[in-house]
Amino acid sequence: EVQLVESGGALIQPGGSLRLSCAASGFNVISHYMNWVRQAPGKGLEWVSGVYSGGDAYYADSVRGRFTISRDNSENTVSLEMNTLKAEDTAVYYCARAVHGFDLWGQGTLVTVSS
Amino acid sequence: YEVTQPLSVSVTLGQTARITCGGNSIGGRNVHWYQQRPGQAPVLVIYRDTNRPSGIPERFSGSNSRNTATLTIDSAQAGDEADYYCQLWDSTTAVWVFGGGTQLTVL
Repeated sequence: EVQLVESGGALIQPGGSLRLSCAASGFNVISHYMNWVRQAPGKGLEWVSGVYSGGDAYYADSVRGRFTISRDNSENTVSLEMNTLKAEDTAVYYCARAVHGFDLWGQGTLVTVSS
Repeated sequence: YEVTQPLSVSVTLGQTARITCGGNSIGGRNVHWYQQRPGQAPVLVIYRDTNRPSGIPERFSGSNSRNTATLTIDSAQAGDEADYYCQLWDSTTAVWVFGGGTQLTVL
């Protein structure tokens, strides 16, 4: 079955770090454009970061310099390393594959930044 | 690049709903549309302006011209109640842009 499963969400204090992981099955992440999208409570969708099959990575202005996207080909996973977390980073984080539009999404993992 | 969606749209059961996504010369860009039901992940319903992914009913269609992209839902059903988001790639800033979302209510 083709699917994405996120993990790693947690309650974390402001200024802390967290690593999210997205496990893919049914296809290889190395061959696809993979992304992270977040949704703050009661708010809309916000694209966070993406990594092309060739390795080029892009970030939203709100996270550039704090977040890093990466892939593990052996584990077939995509990760999001998040540093210097702020209250406004609180959201459900979705992993999504982009083929024609974002055609495959995970179920999301909740990150709460609070003291 | 900014896109504008109405906060809410209402439609009578069985009638046609139209959800717009406005932006400067948006007709020159590829627009994707997503449906998000409460508590669920988004689902792609239209890609590159007019194309339906496999499994999406023919009742869903899209168009894009000049300054407005439109998602049209024919014969609206209770199960179509959801938030709908448009999305496009802004090559100037190298970011994906989502509209603010439109809540569809089926009366």
